[in-house]
Amino acid sequence: EPEVTQTPSHQVTQMGQEVILRCVPISNHLYFYWYRQILGQKVEFLVSFYNNEISEKSEIFDDQFSVERPDGSNFTLKIRSTKLEDSAMYFCASSELAGGRDTQYFGPGTRLTVL
Amino acid sequence: AQKITQTQPGMFVQEKEAVTLDCTYDTSDQSYGLFWYKQPSSGEMIFLIYQGSYDEQNATEGRYSLNFQKARKSANLVISASQLGDSAMYFCAMILYQAGTALIFGKGTTLSVSS
Repeated sequence: EPEVTQTPSHQVTQMGQEVILRCVPISNHLYFYWYRQILGQKVEFLVSFYNNEISEKSEIFDDQFSVERPDGSNFTLKIRSTKLEDSAMYFCASSELAGGRDTQYFGPGTRLTVL
Repeated sequence: AQKITQTQPGMFVQEKEAVTLDCTYDTSDQSYGLFWYKQPSSGEMIFLIYQGSYDEQNATEGRYSLNFQKARKSANLVISASQLGDSAMYFCAMILYQAGTALIFGKGTTLSVSS
């Protein structure tokens, strides 16, 4: 069964450093998403992406964040200058269509630790 | 504001028993979807079941069923014949089709199944 994959599974970085989290969405899916889950808290939407542009973003997704589809398979989340409060599990998700009856399928997550 | 409420931080059940995990939602939108996801201790988010606001019948997927009571704005997950592998965090989520692509999550319920 097709699945969303994410690398790395765990990333440790120093405050102020840039990190890139990578995702390979399900191959026939057209909509991509990033969510984050701070330890012990609920999952929060960051951004959705379609046709090589952002279709929606939350208040959390400020100028330090960016997303990109650098090639036909990868979808990345870049955090330019990490802060301690960026420590969280970051989930990539994809769906065949936006909203509708179409389910967002999540990857296994990348646990980001900022020291 | 649109939100999802899961009032049970933890639930305990014996193997082979049925369990109901509560979820209430708050929206004035007429067109929305409701989802349940399972998050085992390994961290991934696994889609379980979906219910659309216009669906007249309750959704079922194997041992999972969604008890959808639209007037009460509740979307409870029922797991029949619990198994040890059902021990996990369970999240209820909502999408508002007119508003965009973001899933709105509840805080989750931890289910523990014992033998």
